[in-house]
This record gives sequence, structure tokens and C-alpha cells, in this order.
Amino acid sequence: EVQLVESGGGLKQPGGSLTLSCAASGFTFDTYEMNWVRQAPGKGLEWISHISRSGKTIYYADSVRGRFTISRDNAKNSVYLQITGLRAEDTAVYYCTRSSFDWLFLFDRWGQGTLVSVSS
Amino acid sequence: EIVLTQSPGTLSLSPGERATLSCKSSQTISSDYLAWYQQKPGQAPRLLIYATSSRATGIPDRFSGSGSGTDFTLTISRLEPEDFAIYYCQQYDRSFTCTFGQGTKVDIK
Repeated sequence: EVQLVESGGGLKQPGGSLTLSCAASGFTFDTYEMNWVRQAPGKGLEWISHISRSGKTIYYADSVRGRFTISRDNAKNSVYLQITGLRAEDTAVYYCTRSSFDWLFLFDRWGQGTLVSVSS
Repeated sequence: EIVLTQSPGTLSLSPGERATLSCKSSQTISSDYLAWYQQKPGQAPRLLIYATSSRATGIPDRFSGSGSGTDFTLTISRLEPEDFAIYYCQQYDRSFTCTFGQGTKVDIK
């Protein structure tokens, strides 16, 4: 069974940093591209970052470029999202998603999400 | 950036009724690149439909998608109790990015 399990969220102060992790299982991790999508409380979905199978090709949404860094460790079947300079508007549930085999930005599996709250 | 506008914002229906959800794009999208997701309260979204009309694995056939160009539709032929949720359309037509609609909530009348 495909599983994506996020961790690393919590209450953080403005200006701080954190790293979210996503542990994958149930599929051959290094053959799939991966993404992070976030959802602010009561709001819709926002794609924020994508990473290729090798980790060499990376894309970011304009809204997060410069503060967010995506990475992966295929040996650990994990993908990560580092966030610096936290802002109140970064408060959201962050989902790890798997890209479908045929379309990079079609998300065929989602984790349960991890909540990041930014407040002083 | 392609903007997707979903309507209505909320659809109040009874079990057994037909639901028709609209997704309009600000630019023409290839039919290969339009998807629908379902999200229930407290849960992650789930892929329902991709390439406008193809059902994802395990999705019942009461869910169907149609459309082309800038106008797309998700239809639920007969609502089951478990179908009351929020539905998002998504375009993945442009390289290096994708966008979602703001969602349509289907709730019990």
C-alpha cells in the first residue's frame, strides 16, 4: 500500500525556520517525482514545489521561491521541505504528494498532511 | 497564470440527486491536463478524475468528467452519502506549475 507520512510541523515563530519531512513507502520511491502542496485554514489548495526523481530538477511557485527549499534522499525514501523566514501567511497544512507516472503535476497520492502554524 | 473559477461555491443537494460542478479556465487548456480532486473534512484530497474524463483507480462510475477548451464539468450521477465533500479542479497544462480552482462544496440539503 502506498503511504506518504509527513512530519515536522508545529507552532513556529515568525522569522524562524523548519524542515518538513515526508516518508514514503509501498512504491519504488526513486522512480517517482514528488511535490509539496499546502492548504491554508479554510482555504483552497496551492502547489508550492516539485522535485524530479534524481533531485536535479526543481520547481517552485513564485509565492515561495527564495524561502523554500525542496530536497530528497532516495536512500531514505524521503522528501523534505525547508522553510526559512516564516511568515503568518505560511500557516497551512502541508501535503506531500506523488506525481503520476505520466504527468508531473498530476498528484495521484497524498499524505495526510502536517500543520504548520506561524504565530508569536 | 491560468486561473480556474469553480461554480457554484456551494451545492446543496439530497442523496440520490445529480450533481453538476463547473470549472472555467482563464485560458484554453488541453483536455489531457484537467483533473478533479475530492476532499472530505479532516482528510487529504483524493484524485478522482484526470485528463478531463478518466477515472482514477478505484473511483466509482457515478463520477464522470467532461469538457474542453475553457469549460469543464464534473458530474456525480446519483449522490451517495460519502460524496458530500469539497471538489477541486486542477490544471496541469503549463510546464513547471499547476493551479487549482477555489473549490465547490457539495453539502446535504
